Amino acid sequence: GAVVSQHPSWVICKSGTSVKIECRSLDFQATTMFWYRQFPKQSLMLMATSNEGSKATYEQGVEKDKFLINHASLTLSTLTVTSAHPEDSSFYICSARPGTRSSGANVLTFGAGSRLTVL
Amino acid sequence: QKEVEQNSGPLSVPEGAIASLNCTYSDRGSQSFFWYRQYSGKSPELIMFIYSNGDKEDGRFTAQLNKASQYVSLLIRDSQPSDSATYLCAATATGNQFYFGTGTSLTVIP
Repeated sequence: GAVVSQHPSWVICKSGTSVKIECRSLDFQATTMFWYRQFPKQSLMLMATSNEGSKATYEQGVEKDKFLINHASLTLSTLTVTSAHPEDSSFYICSARPGTRSSGANVLTFGAGSRLTVL
Repeated sequence: QKEVEQNSGPLSVPEGAIASLNCTYSDRGSQSFFWYRQYSGKSPELIMFIYSNGDKEDGRFTAQLNKASQYVSLLIRDSQPSDSATYLCAATATGNQFYFGTGTSLTVIP
């Protein structure tokens, strides 16, 4: 089955620093990847849709200059939290779906998530 | 109006009982429907997806889809304590946008 690898799993950083999170599709090509954020005991919140070779589409209220997304290849998307602050502490999860037509083409597979703590 | 709605629960069932989770969606163009399970502190994992009206069974899980009523459900038979988690319903029309419900918290009581 489709596997999405996300790294790092945990990251602690000082306020004002930048953190990069990687999301890789291991056994399929993903033209589209999605980035979510989830605060404790709350639902998934879609931050942005990452499209290979083009600019990401951000959801309303998400600062594109703060959350930089790069989808330079069909297997890798990165999310960089720039100048992180304590309020950015959250669980960040990426997901991807195969780009080819198949019975599972629309099935979203999630990475394991990255827990960010900003001190 | 939210695209996908679920009762947040919590839903509690005794071990061995059937747990019934429900979901409604507003976009009649939705074609694919998914149930994900999310344990606390973990990312969602796919349980089942369904495209066609009717029932789809996989082990102890049965997904039911009624497009006319815009209703999707998940039945868990012989519920186990390990089934205790939050269950997310999702729908997509094109595969380019996925709409998630807020999740239903299920507790299976030993």
